[in-house]
Amino acid sequence: GQQLNQSPQSMFIQEGEDVSMNCTSSSIFNTWLWYKQDPGEGPVLLIALYKAGELTSNGRLTAQFGITRKDSFLNISASIPSDVGIYFCAGQLPGSGYALNFGKGTSLLVTP
Amino acid sequence: GAVVSQHPSWVICKSGTSVKIECRSLDFQATTMFWYRQFPKQSLMLMATSNEGSKATYEQGVEKDKFLINHASLTLSTLTVTSAHPEDSSFYICSARGRQTGELFFGEGSRLTVL
Repeated sequence: GQQLNQSPQSMFIQEGEDVSMNCTSSSIFNTWLWYKQDPGEGPVLLIALYKAGELTSNGRLTAQFGITRKDSFLNISASIPSDVGIYFCAGQLPGSGYALNFGKGTSLLVTP
Repeated sequence: GAVVSQHPSWVICKSGTSVKIECRSLDFQATTMFWYRQFPKQSLMLMATSNEGSKATYEQGVEKDKFLINHASLTLSTLTVTSAHPEDSSFYICSARGRQTGELFFGEGSRLTVL
């Protein structure tokens, strides 16, 4: 399937700092989703975006669906130690029947 | 909220044996379930799409005879890894799409280790 380009691959930050990660693709997506995955567990949905240009927040998390429909970013403000994990972007291609294409993930480490 | 449950969470088996992993939607009906595979420190890769009452659609490069998928009811899909080999060791994750809301929910994953 279509691979999404997610960056950065990893981040090592101090508690309280803001974090930004993004995903790009050469294809247009209908939906962009951001997930967090803890070790040994399935991904948990953080934010879902359904319209180009949409900006959505969930607590300290903010994500946007790019105008071109080929990119999305996720921001985490005032990071805390429990934000540690792997963050994946995922997109649904038109006509894909809700199957998701995932980015390679951003590994986030937060030091107290 | 809706929950998708996978069983078993962990399984260790000998090479050559077959392993069945179940994916259940606990409080909603799922018309479509998806099976993903995730190798260590890598992303989730879609293996197949499973629709209730019909044959699964496999992604390119996924052997349908090796990874048997059965979606016998609106709340259960099973993935059977036949004649498992060490290279099949991976984290297998299912997701289910709610019939009513269209939302997508992920299971907790099943880690398969083939010795």
